[in-house]
Amino acid sequence: AQSVAQPEDQVNVAEGNPLTVKCTYSVSGNPYLFWYVQYPNRGLQFLLKYITGDNLVKGSYGFEAEFNKSQTSFHLKKPSALVSDSALYFCAVRGLNAGNNRKLIWGLGTSLAVNP
Amino acid sequence: SAVISQKPSRDICQRGTSLTIQCQVDSQVTMMFWYRQQPGQSLTLIATANQGSEATYESGFVIDKFPISRPNLTFSTLTVSNMSPEDSSIYLCSVEMGYGQETQYFGPGTRLLVL
Repeated sequence: AQSVAQPEDQVNVAEGNPLTVKCTYSVSGNPYLFWYVQYPNRGLQFLLKYITGDNLVKGSYGFEAEFNKSQTSFHLKKPSALVSDSALYFCAVRGLNAGNNRKLIWGLGTSLAVNP
Repeated sequence: SAVISQKPSRDICQRGTSLTIQCQVDSQVTMMFWYRQQPGQSLTLIATANQGSEATYESGFVIDKFPISRPNLTFSTLTVSNMSPEDSSIYLCSVEMGYGQETQYFGPGTRLLVL
């Protein structure tokens, strides 16, 4: 069965420090992987995705994520955190062999708090 | 991406009543989805809205409770019927622009409180 795990409910980091939000997945076949961010009382915003190609993917707001097939991970990273990065982050996956099934499998979310 | 709007943005409803949520996209899209999200929690897919045919519902969701329409490639509605306090949630519309586009884009959501 396809699944996504975000092992940390909350991540705390000081402003200016690097941040990592973890995501691991389990799918049959090659995965499509996504990161979304949700600011308080807002909808979800797309950050970045991995479909194929370079394992390091760059996205919006200075975020990047590295696809690691052997570890089945897709951790979100940013070299220098901002207070404004504080939000809820979701990882999602879809199997490449999903065919007409466009359904995304969602992680439970990680709350990122960046302290000034 | 696309500009996605939802109406209403929020509502407070009495139990036993029904609410219809609208999702409008500023361009034609292939796929439209409806999700439910408790504040601060993950997303649960309710159904895929199919243009010109009945929606495809996920396990635990039925058409009688959540009827969905999709009359064209830019518009869909979700109705929450015979509401109870357990239906209090955020309802989100999402779209995929076209086959091969892969990314889902989300509307701002509708916050529903059922008393």
